[in-house]
Order: sequence, then C-alpha cells, then structure tokens
Amino acid sequence: DIQMTQSPSSLSASVGDRVTITCQASQDISNYLNWYQQKPGKAPKLLIYDASNLETGVPSRFSGSGSGTDFTFTISSLQPEDIATYYCQQYDNLPQTFGGGTKVEIK
Amino acid sequence: QVQLVQSGAEVKKPGASVKVSCKASGYTFTSYDINWVRQATGQGLEWMGWMNPNSGNTGYAQKFQGRVTMTRNTSISTAYMELSSLRSEDTAVYYCARGWRSDIWGQGTMVTVSS
Repeated sequence: DIQMTQSPSSLSASVGDRVTITCQASQDISNYLNWYQQKPGKAPKLLIYDASNLETGVPSRFSGSGSGTDFTFTISSLQPEDIATYYCQQYDNLPQTFGGGTKVEIK
Repeated sequence: QVQLVQSGAEVKKPGASVKVSCKASGYTFTSYDINWVRQATGQGLEWMGWMNPNSGNTGYAQKFQGRVTMTRNTSISTAYMELSSLRSEDTAVYYCARGWRSDIWGQGTMVTVSS
C-alpha cells in the first residue's frame, strides 16, 4: 500500500496568514492526489483534485501543487471559516490511502 | 441537485452484520464509481473499497476482504455496503462518495457495535 505522510498534524495560525500543508507519498503517484476539508460532524469536502485543480465553487485562496511524491496544499489567507481538518488522498493505486490529517486552528 | 443520501444510524451486537445504503440523485448513477470510506471517532479516513454501479465490479481493501460486500440496485440508484462479523473496532461513521474524485459524499451513517 502507498503510505501518505502528511505534516504537520496540527497548526495554529492567525487570520490572514498563509498556511501550508505537505503530503509525501511513499512512491510516485504522478498527480493522482486530492485534498479534502472536513469540519466536525460533517463529511469531507473536495477542495483540490489532480494535485492542483480547484474544485468548482471552492474559494481561490485554496491551492495545491506537486507531482510524483511531494505535494503542497496552501491557504493563501486563512479565514475563520477555514477551521477544519485537511486530508490528502492518493488514488493512483488501490487501496486508495489518506494522509493522517492536519487540524487547522486560529491563533 | 447532485447528492448521496445514506441510511440512518445502526446499533449492532458483536458478530452481527450491518448493511448501509447510499441513494444517488441528480446524476446518472451508473456513470460514476462509488467508494466507501469509514472514520472512527476522532480518527482519520479509511478507504474500504469501490464498486462500479454499471458492471457491479468491486474492489476491496485487503483489511476488509471476506467481511465486506458492496452491491447495488440500479433501478433505484442505490449502492449498498454490508459488513459482517462486526466487532467493537468497526464502530465508526461510514461514508459513500462518488467517483475517483470523491467529489460528492453522503452525510455519513454512524454504526455502533456494542454488546
């Protein structure tokens, strides 16, 4: 199985800060990577697909980059409504696997 | 609108089985795979398997092989996930999600396994 190592596991930042989360795959997954946002008690929400494509309706402050084994997710200006846990997921190989999640809080 | 609506919460005893449904609306059910993902309380997301609603083909994570069965009824645009030989560690919220992007998710079904 492909291991997805996501870091940090949690972070605290101020409103307006730039926030960056990384995800490293244990082998080359090309660009077959999604990023999700999950708020407490809710289902995950797709934000980024194919590593860098913004899902329809998602604010442009969210972005993704990378290919191969190293990926980055960025919130360019953190907003109070962005408080959530973020997950990366690879779908290059079965089983699909998720990163461990990053809990984002407001400082 | 495009949505997946799941069945309600379940409480089961160890050793029992549970069958969760996922009804699709707003799109052609047979055009997208359905993935099943679960999440124990306070934990991360765990992929269980997928099903192609058109062919009925399935693929399961090795961890669940022999215990999980994914099926569908195309006449009512509904996918099902049945998990057998339940144990306490199976207590979790179970989600269905549409396609390789998993762009649409059901609301989740809480399954509690307790004696």
